[in-house]
Amino acid sequence: QSALTQPPSASGSPGQSVTISCTGTSSDVGGYNYVSWYQQHPGKAPKLMIYEVSKRPSGVPDRFSGSKSGNTASLTVSGLQAEDEADYYCSSYAGSKGYVFGTGTKVTVL
Amino acid sequence: EVQLVESGGGLVQPGRSLRLSCAASGFTFDDYAMHWVRQAPGKGLEWVSGISWNSGSIGYADSVKGRFTISRDNAKNSLYLQMNSLRAEDTALYYCAKEKGIRRAPFWAFDIWGQGTMVTVSS
Repeated sequence: QSALTQPPSASGSPGQSVTISCTGTSSDVGGYNYVSWYQQHPGKAPKLMIYEVSKRPSGVPDRFSGSKSGNTASLTVSGLQAEDEADYYCSSYAGSKGYVFGTGTKVTVL
Repeated sequence: EVQLVESGGGLVQPGRSLRLSCAASGFTFDDYAMHWVRQAPGKGLEWVSGISWNSGSIGYADSVKGRFTISRDNAKNSLYLQMNSLRAEDTALYYCAKEKGIRRAPFWAFDIWGQGTMVTVSS
């Protein structure tokens, strides 16, 4: 199972928006509405930010939003804040193959 | 407080075995599927294995199939990963993670993670 493709890096100034793409195939991202996004700060465990493509767990700011079109999912962080600087990973359910994660994107707040 | 605490990691020679454990607290353990996810040093996340709430459904990544075995003991609120025939490429921080959805209504996402236990495979 190949990893989902994410850009290595993304950046924006405080208050701006940044969008991260996550490209898979019809066997994972395109085949199921079970895409999730995780935020990981250095030395910390991942934190669930988005599940089922666009739903936010309790406590996650509404600055974080998710969407999907075909085999590509996206995470948008609006109103960037310093604490949003982290690595972000997408993940998709892949049926009999289990789960596949993205390659990861480092978000920098300029 | 909902918590997952992994243990059992360490330095092991190639070809040898290791058993990881994950102790759960703060939630009804036998209501949720559980997973192991690993992260090699400086690399991304990789799903390793998952087990349903009642152990009726189990899955493995191709990279560990036939070498790793996941299990759980609901009476002890514990998850395990038996790792055999270890290779250098298995070197990683191993996280225990909880499925967000309950029993037969999963959300196919991991909402609670432990802090991980490090496994280093080297001679």
